[in-house]
Amino acid sequence: GENVEQHPSTLSVQEGDSAVIKCTYSDSASNYFPWYKQELGKRPQLIIDIRSNVGEKKDQRIAVTLNKTAKHFSLHITETQPEDSAVYFCAATFSGGYQKVTFGIGTKLQVIP
Amino acid sequence: EADIYQTPRYLVIGTGKKITLECSQTMGHDKMYWYQQDPGMELHLIHYSYGVNSTEKGDLSSESTVSRIRTEHFPLTLESARPSHTSQYLCASSEGGPNYGYTFGSGTRLTVV
Repeated sequence: GENVEQHPSTLSVQEGDSAVIKCTYSDSASNYFPWYKQELGKRPQLIIDIRSNVGEKKDQRIAVTLNKTAKHFSLHITETQPEDSAVYFCAATFSGGYQKVTFGIGTKLQVIP
Repeated sequence: EADIYQTPRYLVIGTGKKITLECSQTMGHDKMYWYQQDPGMELHLIHYSYGVNSTEKGDLSSESTVSRIRTEHFPLTLESARPSHTSQYLCASSEGGPNYGYTFGSGTRLTVV
């Protein structure tokens, strides 16, 4: 089955700096890579995703990159703000058949004002 | 509003009690999931369903059971609660097809005393 490793487990950055969270996956058949943000006391929410036919995707201050050869993908947050403080989960899945997502362990991001 | 709803939000019960955690979604999604999330953040899949009358056990061994008699409803039952069941339980659903992301419910925080 799929195995997703995520690091770092905790990350502190100064407001305005960039934050990068990295994930690796094991199953070369995986072709869909979503990222979820979970604020304290709230539900995880999908913030961005990327499919294996794309190398990079951006949405305002958030970007995700995918390297299929190396089987790793990363979340980049630029110009961080206090409201970016949350736990971020990466995930990987093969969407061609029954969809079962494998999550990383999560990264707790703290943006220091 | 189309969403996924979990009740109760918080529950404190005594050891040995039978409980059912409710999960309903109004998006017409075929796929539904139950995750257990400990304070350490990690999401553990305990049950999933790909449609009516379809249920499977997840990656984490669980003493709970689920049923899927209607598309919109995916309740989780603990026949005899124990303190080790104390955790947050998150329900999720997904459409599959071109739109693969999960929608999570707000969770039930269960405490067994």
